[in-house]
Amino acid sequence: DAGVIQSPRHEVTEMGQEVTLRCKPISGHNSLFWYRQTMMRGLELLIYFNNNVPIDDSGMPEDRFSAKMPNASFSTLKIQPSEPRDSAVYFCASSPGGLVIEQYFGPGTRLTVT
Amino acid sequence: SQQGEEDPQALSIQEGENATMNCSYKTSINNLQWYRQNSGRGLVHLILIRSNEREKHSGRLRVTLDTSKKSSSLLITASRAADTASYFCATDGGGSYIPTFGRGTSLIVHP
Repeated sequence: DAGVIQSPRHEVTEMGQEVTLRCKPISGHNSLFWYRQTMMRGLELLIYFNNNVPIDDSGMPEDRFSAKMPNASFSTLKIQPSEPRDSAVYFCASSPGGLVIEQYFGPGTRLTVT
Repeated sequence: SQQGEEDPQALSIQEGENATMNCSYKTSINNLQWYRQNSGRGLVHLILIRSNEREKHSGRLRVTLDTSKKSSSLLITASRAADTASYFCATDGGGSYIPTFGRGTSLIVHP
């Protein structure tokens, strides 16, 4: 298995632009997580899905952030409009679900908003 | 909060030495996990220990859990330069099995 796949790996954009981050979880995994990592705040859980349904989005910082999971093999995290304080590394992780809670992380997308 | 706190924040040792990192948490847990993150990469799961377990081993890794002290330790024996990374503990508890990550310990192993 290729593991969790994220794209793009790096994104540089100007303030006000829309940014879309993409994730393909490991096949057969039922849970998907989006995290943001910064030096100041560490690793923050933004949202997680179980069987494609958003379960908890309380970590999404504000309405500019939205996430979708249209099917079991694809999820997006969108920021519109982007701001410089959104600069961070965004990770997607998947987990088999049920009693198996270990998470498998993708390589991350490093987002820079200028 | 379930968030674990790792200690120390940074650790620098020589190759061949043992490295010990600690994680403390505030409320009762279901499970505690340790992850490694190499620079510029995603986190990699190392080991999970359940609340009814006291010790687990995996290769050169040894994890202990003391629920009475609400703490865990990760021991890496005979460290190698390749062990240089950040190490995170993640705890889940109450009605949720979603782990919350600490801020991590940065380990540098000098060759």
